[in-house]
Amino acid sequence: KAGVTQTPRYLIKTRGQQVTLSCSPISGHRSVSWYQQTPGQGLQFLFEYFSETQRNKGNFPGRFSGRQFSNSRSEMNVSTLELGDSALYLCASSLVGASDNEQFFGPGTRLTVL
Amino acid sequence: AQRVTQPEKLLSVFKGAPVELKCNYSYSGSPELFWYVQYSRQRLQLLLRHISRESIKGFTADLNKGETSFHLKKPFAQEEDSAMYYCALKNYGNKLVFGAGTILRVKS
Repeated sequence: KAGVTQTPRYLIKTRGQQVTLSCSPISGHRSVSWYQQTPGQGLQFLFEYFSETQRNKGNFPGRFSGRQFSNSRSEMNVSTLELGDSALYLCASSLVGASDNEQFFGPGTRLTVL
Repeated sequence: AQRVTQPEKLLSVFKGAPVELKCNYSYSGSPELFWYVQYSRQRLQLLLRHISRESIKGFTADLNKGETSFHLKKPFAQEEDSAMYYCALKNYGNKLVFGAGTILRVKS
């Protein structure tokens, strides 16, 4: 079974631009979560989508948004980029929305904001 | 507020020595706790969860509700155990609250 894939793997943007990151979950997985990883703040939860609905949201400004499609693929968007948005963005998928299923992580998208 | 604390940024041990990676948490309900590991140039992956009470790669972790701890232990460290280890608490749905992580370095 193919693992979680994320595209692109690397991105360089400038302040004020917007960016869209994509995540394809493992086949059959319907829950997708997003995390931001930085040296200063560590791993922080952004949001979770299940069956095309946002089920949970972390403490990030409204510039961070996401969506999930009917095939469970998910995208996250960051508008009006700031230098502090430079980070590794990870997505994770799990089999169903229940709380007892393992989350499988993708390799991440490394975003650099100049 | 839910919080996970890993007090050590770096733990360096010799091969064959015992390992204990510390994790403390604060959570108002019944916690569900995990250890995740990230080996060099690999993805973050689940090592073990407290519910299953299993031993993975020789590692064990016991949930101590009285001390609000979930320390990760291994009696004899191996070089291939060198990695970044994260303790995590599962909140509503699939939200994971991670600790800052501890780098384990096993020296030969």
